Amino acid sequence: ETGVTQTPRHLVMGMTNKKSLKCEQHLGHNAMYWYKQSAKKPLELMFVYNFKEQTENNSVPSRFSPECPNSSHLFLHLHTLQPEDSALYLCASSQEEGRETQYFGPGTRLLVL
Amino acid sequence: SQQGEEDPQALSIQEGENATMNCSYKTSINNLQWYRQNSGRGLVHLILIRSNEREKHSGRLRVTLDTSKKSSSLLITASRAADTASYFCATDGGDSSYKLIFGSGTRLLVRP
Repeated sequence: ETGVTQTPRHLVMGMTNKKSLKCEQHLGHNAMYWYKQSAKKPLELMFVYNFKEQTENNSVPSRFSPECPNSSHLFLHLHTLQPEDSALYLCASSQEEGRETQYFGPGTRLLVL
Repeated sequence: SQQGEEDPQALSIQEGENATMNCSYKTSINNLQWYRQNSGRGLVHLILIRSNEREKHSGRLRVTLDTSKKSSSLLITASRAADTASYFCATDGGDSSYKLIFGSGTRLLVRP
């Protein structure tokens, strides 16, 4: 256990659905991240939050909407997704935003039909 | 452009053998990290080596860093079937970036 939890672990949704992914960290960290991992592609950074403020949006389509209500929780709201958005979505946290060790959750496996 | 690039993409060895994976990167860095990922799971941090360090050990892991060649290697000694996983290097962008950039990974299979 890394101290970072993600729910749900698996999600199947249609292109017209709205769903949310949740991440919670119990490490007292101040920075949280969303990554997308597709088959045969490097891990892609999507969003970064530092002290609840978004500091990075890596040109992510607006159908992905992040929310960080406090330093321990991070959400990724999904709407009108495309089949190519099917991937493993990983949440991570670190003490501060930057170059130090990141602690990852187990991921949410998303399938968009 | 991709910062870290692992080599080989896939490696299959017998239990008890050593496994060596390499990572090359393009820009200056402050540190380089190695992570492990079991199939369909999250990444687990293994080791961090700073740009002023040349070698670091952690249990059966040995990491080297050659900043002149912009490369790093991860050696797993006396491999076990449980070491089967994908291994990623992650680099920062030196003074110009606070982001970690991950490579595509090496898939290691340790045959019992």
